[in-house]
Amino acid sequence: SQQGEEDPQALSIQEGENATMNCSYKTSINNLQWYRQNSGRGLVHLILIRSNEREKHSGRLRVTLDTSKKSSSLLITASRAADTASYFCATDVGLYVGGATNKLIFGTGTLLAVQP
Amino acid sequence: NAGVTQTPKFQVLKTGQSMTLQCAQDMNHEYMSWYRQDPGMGLRLIHYSVGAGITDQGEVPNGYNVSRSTTEDFPLRLLSAAPSQTSVYFCASRFSYSMNTEAFFGQGTRLTVV
Repeated sequence: SQQGEEDPQALSIQEGENATMNCSYKTSINNLQWYRQNSGRGLVHLILIRSNEREKHSGRLRVTLDTSKKSSSLLITASRAADTASYFCATDVGLYVGGATNKLIFGTGTLLAVQP
Repeated sequence: NAGVTQTPKFQVLKTGQSMTLQCAQDMNHEYMSWYRQDPGMGLRLIHYSVGAGITDQGEVPNGYNVSRSTTEDFPLRLLSAAPSQTSVYFCASRFSYSMNTEAFFGQGTRLTVV
């Protein structure tokens, strides 16, 4: 099974509301990243939080990380119709020292629909 | 900067045919990787490379080969295509495997095997 699992699988909200997505993972990590994918397009990086950080902000995005629970959440405040997309968490796992084992492993994603 | 460029964007293959999906980046990134995306499965790592001449297997490597002869290019080869390889393939690069770095993705190759 995959390293990361997002919850919920799908989320529908009204414009102006906040959207919260959760990610759980299984092994220790170097960092956790969130990505966005518009339909049929490549993924775009949103935010990276290191394993020794607990919270990070970027514009309307707020990410938290709880390494004791192996979980993270992404909050999008004051959502807009343009935020409609799939959102993925990705965990950076493995050893940096000595090379070739560190990997970026993605979860299954949350499909967010923001209704105008 | 072009970033990460994948070709082709669409491809239809017959079972048993071979082909190479091309990926090139112009950012001098050490780390390159290939993912496949299937409905309900998210992205799964196929192969990755931490530098020219160094490759390793990801989560789902069977049926795929890779090589990294230059920093810029990381082609993915399907030696004998199977219908189970019908998917959208994404190439991604990162500045370094040894730092906390983000991945940059290409626009994807939609492959259908009939």
